[in-house]
Amino acid sequence: GESVGLHLPTLSVQEGDNSIINCAYSNSASDYFIWYKQESGKGPQFIIDIRSNMDKRQGQRVTVLLNKTVKHLSLQIAATQPGDSAVYFCAENTGGSYIPTFGRGTSLIVHP
Amino acid sequence: KAGVTQTPRYLIKTRGQQVTLSCSPISGHRSVSWYQQTPGQGLQFLFEYFSETQRNKGNFPGRFSGRQFSNSRSEMNVSTLELGDSALYLCASSPEAPSSYNEQFFGPGTRLTVL
Repeated sequence: GESVGLHLPTLSVQEGDNSIINCAYSNSASDYFIWYKQESGKGPQFIIDIRSNMDKRQGQRVTVLLNKTVKHLSLQIAATQPGDSAVYFCAENTGGSYIPTFGRGTSLIVHP
Repeated sequence: KAGVTQTPRYLIKTRGQQVTLSCSPISGHRSVSWYQQTPGQGLQFLFEYFSETQRNKGNFPGRFSGRQFSNSRSEMNVSTLELGDSALYLCASSPEAPSSYNEQFFGPGTRLTVL
């Protein structure tokens, strides 16, 4: 597969652990945030999103937390599995004009 | 339902040449966006087309252009290729104009190498 990014921060966890991936966003006016997962050789895949009027949103095994005070976003993955190994990106968007800004990404490695 | 398809998957060109990449969105999707992904800059938005009109544009030089056809298929063109244009070019489609209410679905990308 293709490498989607070099020099990425890397998080290594054991299967079954909980993972927390962090993202600092840049624009205090951003009002919509998305987490994507990108596996080697594939395009990004939507995981979960959150609007700025919320500070927490839960999905299946994933939770996104938003702290607007410090412009910080996190993705929590419960009971991490080897299939969760991928690069994870956050994206921020402002207003109705969809011109997203993406974070650099974090490489998650899950050891069986 | 078939996903977003991109052709070709891999492409090698030399500096100064031009290249055209193609994207077929998910059936029924009217919006197509293009992104460039490099190790150095990460994922960057190029432009978005909706109903054959460019609605949004990222911060890229005029060498990067695109168009959308009446069947929603889209092409992007890069003229006078530079070494720095080597990247993975991703296409994404959504049912309507992408917004906080419309999820985008990405294709696998076209890996362009400029020699």
